[in-house]
This record gives sequence, structure tokens and C-alpha cells, in this order.
Amino acid sequence: SQKIEQNSEALNIQEGKTATLTCNYTNYSPAYLQWYRQDPGRGPVFLLLIRENEKEKRKERLKVTFDTTLKQSLFHITASQPADSATYLCALAPDTGRRALTFGSGTRLQVQP
Amino acid sequence: GAGVSQTPSNKVTEKGKYVELRCDPISGHTALYWYRQSLGQGPEFLIYFQGTGAADDSGLPNDRFFAVRPEGSVSTLKIQRTERGDSAVYLCASSLSGTGGEQYFGPGTRLTVT
Repeated sequence: SQKIEQNSEALNIQEGKTATLTCNYTNYSPAYLQWYRQDPGRGPVFLLLIRENEKEKRKERLKVTFDTTLKQSLFHITASQPADSATYLCALAPDTGRRALTFGSGTRLQVQP
Repeated sequence: GAGVSQTPSNKVTEKGKYVELRCDPISGHTALYWYRQSLGQGPEFLIYFQGTGAADDSGLPNDRFFAVRPEGSVSTLKIQRTERGDSAVYLCASSLSGTGGEQYFGPGTRLTVT
């Protein structure tokens, strides 16, 4: 069956370090992959989208990689700040006509000052 | 500009009752999605509208769930004969064209069935 896995354990890092979050998937051939940020009590907020033919995408302190051979995406936040503390969700858009996203369960990031 | 809005923000209902949840998408967005999110989980797809029609309702769990979008803007998710297992946060999202790009989410409606 199709599966998206994100580390369910919270990731705790010190301010200024790089946070790296992992998204693994099985039995998918996604057209693209998206990352969202979700704060408690709020809806997810879009961060980055990367297509299957792209290896890497950057936006300010954020970087996403997409390896369709390994079926994995890595999400990096450089020079992390306490304000980056949130849950980060990986979402896949399949290559079929289906437009809805399939989400992982998210990884909670805690940046300590 | 205004983002996606959802009402009510919280809804408590008794088991067996009928509820309606409303979503007002970003103006001009033709695609609208409903998701359901349980504690500690990611959003789970329910239904997708392109314009007025439901283009994909494969995520609706059973026939107690129904959604409409009669004029291609506001959408209502309707749940009949609510069950305790329906308790969750119901999220609505919209996107410009539904070609799979970024989605803009509302704050959600927290539904509690007692």
C-alpha cells in the first residue's frame, strides 16, 4: 500500500544549527512533493514545492531535495531560530489525475534558544 | 487579501446529530479541497471540487458525509448521524487552478461529537 513516512519523534536542535527533516515514501510515483509548516491550532502553510525532475530547491533559509530513486525528500532549515519551531508536513501529489495531496504525519521541530 | 475562512471554528454536537461546516475560499480560486486531521496525524483528503462539481470524492469515508459547492465559491461539508469517530479538525484549502500546486488552508473547524 502507499505510504509516506516522517519521523514521528520530535527533533530538538540548538538555535543557529541546521535542521534536517526526512520524508520517505513507498508505492508512489509522485509528480511533485510539497512541504508545509503547521503551528498548533492553525492550518498548514505552504513552504516549498519540488517537481520530480528537480533535485534541489531553495528559498531563503530553506532547502528541499528530492531523490526519486531513493524515494526520499530532505528538508533543511539553515541558521534555525526558535520561531522555526513547528510541525513540518511532507505532502505528495500523485502523477495521476488526482489533484489532492497525500500528507505524512509530520515531524515536530523544536529549536532551543 | 483575505485568506481561506472556515466557520464555525469549533462545533460540539451530540452523537446522531447533523452538522454543517462552511468554507469560504480565496476569491478566484477554482479548486477547493476538504481534509480531515486527527491529533498527531497529517491532513487526510476527503473531497476535491473544481468549480461547482466534485472532481474527486474518493476520500469521503461513507455516505454520511456529503459536500456541495453550488456557485463555485463557498462550500459546505455536511455530516449526517454524527459518530464519536467523526471528531477531528476539518480543514478546507483552495488553490488557483487545481493543477496540483500549492494549497492555501483555512484555520479549520474543530468538531467534537459527544
